[in-house]
Amino acid sequence: DIEMTQSPTTLSASVGDRVIITCRASQSISRYVNWYQWKPGKAPKLLIYSASTLQSGVPSRFSGSGSGTDFTLTISSLQPEDFATYYCQQGYSTLTFGGGTKVEIK
Amino acid sequence: QVHLVQSGAEVRKPGASVNLSCKASGDTLSNYYVHWVRQAPGQGLEWIGIIDPSDGSPNHAQKFQGRVTLTRDTSTNTVYMELSSLRSDDTAVYYCAREMAAVAGAPLDYWGQGTLVAVSS
Repeated sequence: DIEMTQSPTTLSASVGDRVIITCRASQSISRYVNWYQWKPGKAPKLLIYSASTLQSGVPSRFSGSGSGTDFTLTISSLQPEDFATYYCQQGYSTLTFGGGTKVEIK
Repeated sequence: QVHLVQSGAEVRKPGASVNLSCKASGDTLSNYYVHWVRQAPGQGLEWIGIIDPSDGSPNHAQKFQGRVTLTRDTSTNTVYMELSSLRSDDTAVYYCAREMAAVAGAPLDYWGQGTLVAVSS
């Protein structure tokens, strides 16, 4: 299986900060990466698919980039509702997920 | 608006089986690939398997070979996952998720709320 290494594991930030989360695949996966936001007690939310396409209804402060093995999720200006855990997922072969990044209040 | 509503929490003893359901509203679930994913306490997300919309045929991760059964009922817009020979390390929250149509790379655009399965003697 393709391993997705996500970093950092935890990130402390303030409202208004620019936040960058990275995901590295163990082999080239073209642009088949998706990003999700998880909040306790709520269904996970798809943010970005195909590395850089913003899912409908997701605020434009979220963006994704990358191809091959290295991918990033950027939140341009962190808002209070963005404190959550974020996961990357590859869909190039049998689905695998990154280990998650918890974005905490600084 | 699409909603996936999963069945409630379950407690089982080791060796038992559990059958989870995932019922859709707002769209016809049998038109989409449907995945099952789980998250054990303190662990990452693990893919379990998928149901093919064309014929309802299942596929699953090799580690669940012989223990998982994925089915669907098109009349009730529901998919099911049965996991047998439960072990303590099967304790997890189990999610169903719909794969976005016509987009490569398996983005999962709608998820159920999750079902906690606790396996304990």
